[in-house]
Amino acid sequence: EAGVTQSPTHLIKTRGQQATLRCSPISGHTSVYWYQQALGLGLQFLLWYDEGEERNRGNFPPRFSGRQFPNYSSELNVNALELEDSALYLCASSLTNRQGWNGYTFGSGTRLTVV
Amino acid sequence: DAKTTQPTSMDCAEGRAANLPCNHSTISGNEYVYWYRQIHSQGPQYIIHGLKNNETNEMASLIITEDRKSSTLILPHATLRDTAVYYCIVRTTDSWGKLQFGAGTQVVVTP
Repeated sequence: EAGVTQSPTHLIKTRGQQATLRCSPISGHTSVYWYQQALGLGLQFLLWYDEGEERNRGNFPPRFSGRQFPNYSSELNVNALELEDSALYLCASSLTNRQGWNGYTFGSGTRLTVV
Repeated sequence: DAKTTQPTSMDCAEGRAANLPCNHSTISGNEYVYWYRQIHSQGPQYIIHGLKNNETNEMASLIITEDRKSSTLILPHATLRDTAVYYCIVRTTDSWGKLQFGAGTQVVVTP
């Protein structure tokens, strides 16, 4: 069974540009979560998508947005990049409570560097 | 979800057992204890979870006190590859949504 896959592995952008990060969940998982982990810091919850809808978002500005596609894959978009957006962005997927939540499975992350 | 308290860091000698404590004094009756670990710059990895009874799998053992206010994750024979940040999280299985990660415990296994 394929795990959670994220692409690209590394991404270098210039301040002010836009970044798009992608995530494919485990087959059968309908919930996708995005986390930001800046260097040396903890995991900060960003966004949660389920069944194509945004269910919850963390304390991040609106320039962080995303969507979930009918096949449950997801995209995270970061507009007007700032230097402090440089971080490891992690995607996780899970079943929902209707299916019996059994924990998260994380991908390996996308390392975003803003210069 | 109940809050957890873990030591900031701990060292362990290779080959010895590593005992990682976690306090969750406000845990509710239907909240499970989950453990994840994050090896440097990788995504967190599920280790084990439990409700009341002690649990064991191929990675670790989880000991939960009778009053459920604290638990201990045991890595029976620590290896250098076990060096990671370990997170203790409590939540119910029917409360779907975001998982809140605290600061965790930085475990360093030394030769």
